Amino acid sequence: DSGVTQTPKHLITATGQRVTLRCSPRSGDLSVYWYQQSLDQGLQFLIQYYNGEERAKGNILERFSAQQFPDLHSELNLSSLELGDSALYFCASSVAPADGKETQYFGPGTRLLVL
Amino acid sequence: DQQVKQNSPSLSVQEGRISILNCDYTNSMFDYFLWYKKYPAEGPTFLISISSIKDKNEDGRFTVFLNKSAKHLSLHIVPSQPGDSAVYFCAASGNAGGTSYGKLTFGQGTILTVHP
Repeated sequence: DSGVTQTPKHLITATGQRVTLRCSPRSGDLSVYWYQQSLDQGLQFLIQYYNGEERAKGNILERFSAQQFPDLHSELNLSSLELGDSALYFCASSVAPADGKETQYFGPGTRLLVL
Repeated sequence: DQQVKQNSPSLSVQEGRISILNCDYTNSMFDYFLWYKKYPAEGPTFLISISSIKDKNEDGRFTVFLNKSAKHLSLHIVPSQPGDSAVYFCAASGNAGGTSYGKLTFGQGTILTVHP
C-alpha cells in the first residue's frame, strides 16, 4: 500500500459525458501528479500540482482539467468524453525535495471505460 | 519521440537465476532514474532509484546500474523469485527541455516471468 488513494476504482460512462476522478496523496506529500495509461501509449504524464498550484503540464487535452485543494487532495475532470479516453488513470504523490529528485508513489488507479 | 526505451517486451527467467532488465534513454538532461514494478489492475510500485552522480545502487536483491556515457541503465534481480513476475518500468526525470523537474518519462515496460 503506497498510501495514495484514488476513487472510484472503476468508472463506466458514455461518450459526451463528464467524470471526476479523485486522489488523496500520501500524508505529508505536497506534489500530486496525474498519469494516463492506455494500451498503445504506455504511462503518459498529464499534469502536476504542487501545494495547490499547477506546476507542469504534459500532453493533457483541453477537455481535461485538474485542481489541487487546500487539503492537498486533487481531482481530475474529464469532459466531452470520447471512446479513446478509455484508459487507466493514475495519481502519484511525492514530497518534492529541493534537489528535484522526487520519488513518486502511485495510487491503485481508476479504470475508465467510455462506451 | 520515445525518450526512454525498454527494447525487450518480455523476459523469461528460471527461479534462483539472475534477471537483467535493460533501459535506454536519449535525453542527456535526465539525471534521476527509477524502476517500478506493476501487477495487473494495480498502480506501479517503486522499487529502486539512482541519481546520475552514482553508477550503482543496491537494495536487497535489486541493483540498478547506470552507464551515463551509453545512456543506459539496467536492473538486476538476484536471485529471481516467482513473485517477481510482473511488468517492470524504468522511468527518468530531470530538467528536460525546461519542463517539470519531477515529471516522469516512462519506458514501455518489460514483462518478467520467473518460472519455478
